[in-house]
Amino acid sequence: GQSLEQPSEVTAVEGAIVQINCTYQTSGFYGLSWYQQHDGGAPTFLSYNALDGLEETGRFSSFLSRSDSYGYLLLQELQMKDSASYFCAVSSRGYASKIIFGSGTRLSIRP
Amino acid sequence: DAGVTQSPTHLIKTRGQQVTLRCSPISGHKSVSWYQQVLGQGPQFIFQYYEKEERGRGNFPDRFSARQFPNYSSELNVNALLLGDSALYLCASSLGVAGSDTQYFGPGTRLTVL
Repeated sequence: GQSLEQPSEVTAVEGAIVQINCTYQTSGFYGLSWYQQHDGGAPTFLSYNALDGLEETGRFSSFLSRSDSYGYLLLQELQMKDSASYFCAVSSRGYASKIIFGSGTRLSIRP
Repeated sequence: DAGVTQSPTHLIKTRGQQVTLRCSPISGHKSVSWYQQVLGQGPQFIFQYYEKEERGRGNFPDRFSARQFPNYSSELNVNALLLGDSALYLCASSLGVAGSDTQYFGPGTRLTVL
């Protein structure tokens, strides 16, 4: 089967750096994605890793280690608008692919 | 360019009824995926369709069905509604097969079953 684990809540200070970890168990791993969702909104894509290493997109970076079944999302220069839920999601390869989301990490930013 | 659109925005049904939710993908996208999201949880994968073929199915009962039309729009049908089907139903589109390509989500349809 497939499962993901990520912390349920994280609190950080405006301007700081925060890391949200994600560990997964899956067969036929293809890639790890990260999504942001504000209350009442739809998930929006942040980053995708199919290979080991770091992907950087502006203030957001994502890391993957396939051998450790582990990834993280790094948010730098935190802004109040970054307060949201963050989801990691794994996708499986194959004709009948599945995308499994974690239960989400609620990030709260303090002034 | 218009993003992913879904209709209706909100829907109230009673137990035992049937519901049809609709999704129009971003122009040029050939894949549509459906998710169910209960408050406080992550989206749960229901179906993926690519080029009008089912390419993935999550752990949902047969009461849930979907299809994709020649214009790549999609419908999700749920029969014999249960109280537990109350949730936000999200549609996502991507150029290629979801999982290997970025997914863009629509605003969702909020279904309430009474």
